[in-house]
Amino acid sequence: EIVMTQSPGTLSLSPGERATLSCRASQSVSSIYLAWYQQKPGQAPRLLIYGTSSRPTGIPDRFSGSGSGTDFTLTINRLEPEDFAVYYCQQYGSSPITFGPGTKVDIK
Amino acid sequence: QVQLVQSGAEVKKPGASVKVSCKASGYTFSGYYMHWVRQAPGQGLEWMGWINPNSGGTHYAQKFQGWVTMTGDTSISTAYMELSRLTSDDTAVYYCARGEVMTGHDFWGQGTLVTVSS
Repeated sequence: EIVMTQSPGTLSLSPGERATLSCRASQSVSSIYLAWYQQKPGQAPRLLIYGTSSRPTGIPDRFSGSGSGTDFTLTINRLEPEDFAVYYCQQYGSSPITFGPGTKVDIK
Repeated sequence: QVQLVQSGAEVKKPGASVKVSCKASGYTFSGYYMHWVRQAPGQGLEWMGWINPNSGGTHYAQKFQGWVTMTGDTSISTAYMELSRLTSDDTAVYYCARGEVMTGHDFWGQGTLVTVSS
């Protein structure tokens, strides 16, 4: 099983700032099988990034992803009030599909 | 537009079973795998497995093998997840999520809260 870890656990920032979230896999993950999800309280997760750096239709371009191998990053430029949420990384190339424990981005 | 609408909240006693439904619309149901993911209160996301509605084939996470059953009815575009021998540890929100090989879980149901309590 590929174990995903995320850091930091919580990120306290102000609107307009940049958020940098890290995700590390216990073994190499193909970059085409790395995704990021956003989850707000009481809501289902929402796909933000797939294939390490691709955005689905409707996801703002302030969200970007990068990385390879075992280290991946989600960057949120110019945080908007609606971006304060929990973010999960996920690898879906190897069974079982696994998620990281999440990074909470909250308002400073 | 793609929508996944799940059945309502359930309260079950320990040892019972629960069956959650997920009705799909806005796309060809048989063309995409349906995954199930659960989230215990205040916890992260845990993948349970998937079903291929076209073939009925399934693949479960090892942890759930033997006590989860995923099925689908293409005539009504609905997927089901049944979990048996429930314990309090199974109290969670259960989500269905459309799976696409290249894009991960691109659409999610609203979630179904299953509470296991005596």
